[in-house]
Amino acid sequence: AAGVIQSPRHLIKEKRETATLKCYPIPRHDTVYWYQQGPGQDPQFLISFYEKMQSDKGSIPDRFSAQQFSDYHSELNMSSLELGDSALYFCASSLVDSLGSRLHFGNGTRLTVT
Amino acid sequence: QKEVEQDPGPLSVPEGAIVSLNCTYSNSAFQYFMWYRQYSRKGPELLMYTYSSGNKEDGRFTAQVDKSSKYISLFIRDSQPSDSATYLCAMSAPTGNQFYFGTGTSLTVIP
Repeated sequence: AAGVIQSPRHLIKEKRETATLKCYPIPRHDTVYWYQQGPGQDPQFLISFYEKMQSDKGSIPDRFSAQQFSDYHSELNMSSLELGDSALYFCASSLVDSLGSRLHFGNGTRLTVT
Repeated sequence: QKEVEQDPGPLSVPEGAIVSLNCTYSNSAFQYFMWYRQYSRKGPELLMYTYSSGNKEDGRFTAQVDKSSKYISLFIRDSQPSDSATYLCAMSAPTGNQFYFGTGTSLTVIP
């Protein structure tokens, strides 16, 4: 079965640079989420989109922005990178059906800021 | 206080043992309960999904939900070294589309 696809898998940037992370959700899933996970931490919700419209906002810094495109893929744009932005960034998608809603995660992008 | 509490462990058990992982929560609106398994450097993988109270069994895994106590559990029978991972509980309410995670329990199954 198709899964959530993220690219790139690894990214190394310097402080104050910008980064763009991409996510391709599972086909027909209507909601996309972005999460940030630090070492030994649970995923922290950043932002979500429902049918290409921003639906919820979590602890996303103002330096970050995201959007979902007409083909449902999503991009997380990160500017003025700081050392503390080094983390795993996960995209997840979900579809509400008769059983409810459950998240399916990609394998993440590991961002290292030096 | 976090909405979902989970003992981070680490938990270390011998192969073949029964493992019990638990989470408590405070929001009585939660209806959907999930357990994820996360291997190092990988994304969380949906392991079990339960709606409302009750038990659900899938092979060696059993998920239990006790809504009256706001307590969920994941049992792993005949644990294997390949079960060594971090286990995250997650839950959500019927309204809204946010998911709330525990901090994860690190499990090591020793051969």
